[in-house]
Amino acid sequence: EAQVTQNPRYLITVTGKKLTVTCSQNMNHEYMSWYRQDPGLGLRQIYYSMNVEVTDKGDVPEGYKVSRKEKRNFPLILESPSPNQTSLYFCASSPSLNTGELFFGEGSRLTVL
Amino acid sequence: GQQVMQIPQYQHVQEGEDFTTYCNSSTTLSNIQWYKQRPGGHPVFLIQLVKSGEVKKQKRLTFQFGEAKKNSSLHITATQTTDVGTYFCAGDDYKLSFGAGTTVTVRA
Repeated sequence: EAQVTQNPRYLITVTGKKLTVTCSQNMNHEYMSWYRQDPGLGLRQIYYSMNVEVTDKGDVPEGYKVSRKEKRNFPLILESPSPNQTSLYFCASSPSLNTGELFFGEGSRLTVL
Repeated sequence: GQQVMQIPQYQHVQEGEDFTTYCNSSTTLSNIQWYKQRPGGHPVFLIQLVKSGEVKKQKRLTFQFGEAKKNSSLHITATQTTDVGTYFCAGDDYKLSFGAGTTVTVRA
């Protein structure tokens, strides 16, 4: 089954404790992206990747890192999480940026205390 | 940078009525996409519009892309309880920028 898989789905952590949210897609998509969703703000892009080893900042990259060493994986790293990073995070992939349809993962709800 | 604005933020609709949500971009878009997110779910792709003035229909949903390719609309006729959720537009410039969404609730 074609899908985007995120882990963990839910996480409560404390300020400063490094964490990684994994994202994996099995559709051989070139384009992958991370979004955060906050009430009233819609989906804001954190980072995106056009292909392996090609990543770029989105609209809200501060406090986050990403890597794209393999085509299928695009982990989101919070080196030192802070409470303002409490949010619902979505990973998404697409065959390429201009071929439409983003496929979203189920989401990861992160709480930073 | 590109900004996509969506109105209204909330839409409370009586079952059976029609409504429209609007999406406006500060820049000309190469295409625009619409997504639906059910409560507790993830966004799911509905449609992509590419051509100036393009109109596409999906059953009771009608999507339109403006002539200048800077705005779009989603019109739903005869709203049903299954239409509940948040509808997002996403403008494709050099990267997809999402609007804040229109959250739809339906009164039975």
